[in-house]
Amino acid sequence: AQKITQTQPGMFVQEKEAVTLDCTYDTSDPSYGLFWYKQPSSGEMIFLIYQGSYDQQNATEGRYSLNFQKARKSANLVISASQLGDSAMYFCAMREGGRSFQKLVFGTGTRLLVSP
Amino acid sequence: AAGVIQSPRHLIKEKRETATLKCYPIPRHDTVYWYQQGPGQDPQFLISFYEKMQSDKGSIPDRFSAQQFSDYHSELNMSSLELGDSALYFCASSPTDGGTYEQYFGPGTRLTVT
Repeated sequence: AQKITQTQPGMFVQEKEAVTLDCTYDTSDPSYGLFWYKQPSSGEMIFLIYQGSYDQQNATEGRYSLNFQKARKSANLVISASQLGDSAMYFCAMREGGRSFQKLVFGTGTRLLVSP
Repeated sequence: AAGVIQSPRHLIKEKRETATLKCYPIPRHDTVYWYQQGPGQDPQFLISFYEKMQSDKGSIPDRFSAQQFSDYHSELNMSSLELGDSALYFCASSPTDGGTYEQYFGPGTRLTVT
């Protein structure tokens, strides 16, 4: 069963606008972590933001915020004030379990294109 | 800040050859992960090491082996290379004394098998 689902293969947004990238997950483990990574065309994977299953508040990191809805098992990434440099592939990933050395399972990604 | 170092960045090999990829984690990170990302695909977990011992194993072919050394660097050894092994190979590291255990990825090694 797919553990991480990203239903938007591609998204377009105009510069300075906000955009939401969807991510739903499936797990029966009460302890898990959710991550978003950005992968530009150059290939590197850049960590953006993290949300723990027990975190009471939604995570925020600069222009990035995570809309965590635990009951709906969704962890959408919101990018405010989009910039041209935000054009990239975005991956949602999950770590199950509370141990430190748990692998990440990734979604299929969403390609974001920011236009001037 | 120091990042994960991977070498080489690019590697071209022929079928049936062997390849060794190296990873140097962020200082004081004691867990290393290897992921394989095929063209247009999401990263797939291969194997991980915690304190120099294998901690988890994913869909890693028997032709591949890996280890973590006393200085915490890790090597992924790939033998009898096949065309399908062409991919971007990421190493990631994470600390065990943090609450989030986020994994920081290296720049990747792009392997092309011809």
